[in-house]
Amino acid sequence: GQNIDQPTEMTATEGAIVQINCTYQTSGFNGLFWYQQHAGEAPTFLSYNVLDGLEEKGRFSSFLSRSKGYSYLLLKELQMKDSASYLCAGSDSNYQLIWGAGTKLIIKP
Amino acid sequence: IAGITQAPTSQILAAGRRMTLRCTQDMRHNAMYWYRQDLGLGLRLIHYSNTAGTTGKGEVPDGYSVSRANTDDFPLTLASAVPSQTSVYFCASSPGAGANVLTFGAGSRLTVL
Repeated sequence: GQNIDQPTEMTATEGAIVQINCTYQTSGFNGLFWYQQHAGEAPTFLSYNVLDGLEEKGRFSSFLSRSKGYSYLLLKELQMKDSASYLCAGSDSNYQLIWGAGTKLIIKP
Repeated sequence: IAGITQAPTSQILAAGRRMTLRCTQDMRHNAMYWYRQDLGLGLRLIHYSNTAGTTGKGEVPDGYSVSRANTDDFPLTLASAVPSQTSVYFCASSPGAGANVLTFGAGSRLTVL
């Protein structure tokens, strides 16, 4: 079956670094997406990885290992506004997205 | 402002009633999607449309229908609402049907009593 696993909740301190892990099992693979969703709002796109390695975008980076079925989202210099849920989604052979339940990130001062 | 508009924002509905959630995009995207989001679960695809005039079933299509008469509009209809359809519904679009970035609407919160 197809499955995306990510932690339910994480807590981190303002100014610190946090890594949110995601493991995936999909029928075929056409990339791994990360979205951010603030409470009561729509998800917004953060990053896309289709090749192994690290993609960096400012304070956010995303890593992919296709052989391990593993990705992580790295958030640096955490700000209070980074408090949100982070959704991991894998694209299968039909380009359908399989979504994880999301990781709620709580930032403390 | 370019994007996706969903209506209504929120609705309380009696079981057995018919309800249509509206979705309009102005980005000329070919592909559109309807998802539901429930606590503790990932987004689940209800129906999708890769281009105007075509639709397909997603993971949880039962009890829902869609139409795609033109590029911009993709309404979702609940023919006879049941309490298990209480959820937040998100409409989304992407330029094409491949591994594209999705743009989401603000969501419609539906409560079926």
